[in-house]
Amino acid sequence: KAGVTQTPRYLIKTRGQQVTLSCSPISGHRSVSWYQQTPGQGLQFLFEYFSETQRNKGNFPGRFSGRQFSNSRSEMNVSTLELGDSALYLCASSLGQGARTDTQYFGPGTRLTVL
Amino acid sequence: AQSVTQLGSHVSVSEGALVLLRCNYSSSVPPYLFWYVQYPNQGLQLLLKYTSAATLVKGINGFEAEFKKSETSFHLTKPSAHMSDAAEYFCAVSASGTYKYIFGTGTRLKVLA
Repeated sequence: KAGVTQTPRYLIKTRGQQVTLSCSPISGHRSVSWYQQTPGQGLQFLFEYFSETQRNKGNFPGRFSGRQFSNSRSEMNVSTLELGDSALYLCASSLGQGARTDTQYFGPGTRLTVL
Repeated sequence: AQSVTQLGSHVSVSEGALVLLRCNYSSSVPPYLFWYVQYPNQGLQLLLKYTSAATLVKGINGFEAEFKKSETSFHLTKPSAHMSDAAEYFCAVSASGTYKYIFGTGTRLKVLA
């Protein structure tokens, strides 16, 4: 079974621009979560989608948004990019049945650099 | 609320020596705990998870972890380190009331030849 895929793997943008990252979950998984990883803040939860609905949201500004499509694929968007948005963005998929034991499987990430 | 603390941001061991990476948790509800490994320029790979079935959990690549409620710990061990174990390791707890993970700050493992 194919793993979680993320595109693109690397991205360079300038301040003020916007960016869209894509994530395709493991087949059969209905939940997609997004995390931001930076050297200073570590791994921080952005949001989680299940059945095209945002189910949880972390403490990030409204510039960070996401959506999920009927095939469970997800995109996240960051508008008005800031230098501090430079990070590795990780997508994780899970069955999404709601159990806390639900295991998340991570993709390779998208490395975003903001200049 | 839940949290995890990983003691030691960097750990060095000799090849063939015991690996011990520490994780302590705080949780107001029975915790579900995970260890992930991250190799350079890659995502996170699940090593093992504790979901209350057994206190000693065996994972991939020879790693195991023991859940100790009295010590609120879930330390990761491997009897004999291999050069390929060099990576960053993250402990995580599944947060109650949500479906997200709360991660520790990570421990970077270096294996010396």
